[in-house]
Amino acid sequence: NAGVTQTPKFRVLKTGQSMTLLCAQDMNHEYMYWYRQDPGMGLRLIHYSVGEGTTAKGEVPDGYNVSRLKKQNFLLGLESAAPSQTSVYFCASRRLAGVGSADTQYFGPGTRLTVL
Amino acid sequence: EDQVTQSPEALRLQEGESSSLNCSYTVSGLRGLFWYRQDPGKGPEFLFTLYSAGEEKEKERLKATLTKKESFLHITAPKPEDSATYLCAVQAGTSGSRLTFGEGTQLTVNP
Repeated sequence: NAGVTQTPKFRVLKTGQSMTLLCAQDMNHEYMYWYRQDPGMGLRLIHYSVGEGTTAKGEVPDGYNVSRLKKQNFLLGLESAAPSQTSVYFCASRRLAGVGSADTQYFGPGTRLTVL
Repeated sequence: EDQVTQSPEALRLQEGESSSLNCSYTVSGLRGLFWYRQDPGKGPEFLFTLYSAGEEKEKERLKATLTKKESFLHITAPKPEDSATYLCAVQAGTSGSRLTFGEGTQLTVNP
């Protein structure tokens, strides 16, 4: 049981290049999330998905797109990378909680992206 | 708008010197408050979930408590391996499945 895994671990891009970050989870979780973490700003939600085939915008969605074609995978795309997208990206997943209750998000190890 | 503020930003302790980290929050209808530990270069690791005021949870040298306005993470007799950044997050009733995170407290425990 690997939990949440992310590919790649590190990447350097030039401005204007595109790339896709892959998140995979083997816990059969319904919900998946993409966050970015920057010094002094904490973790901020980019996009999330409440189930296969569905996605929604988070706090900082501009410049990113996502897809959830399979329940276990959640892809984050950068169509035209900018230096402002230099960050550490984390994926998380959680199960479907009961009505009115909260449930824990489990995080992957992160992808460190540098845009030159 | 949901807000989470953690203090202090950084804390240095000597091994065995107990202390507390604070997480103050403002949310519309708290569903849950979460504590995570994050080591350098790694993803956040889940520690505790607290659901209602008065609730307490313990794990080894850590104890988390919750009031209607804040949560404390008490560290008793810390060891160097407790050095990490501790993150607090809340899920509000109006936020769907989203979490709002604080910026974290960076804890260093010196031997």
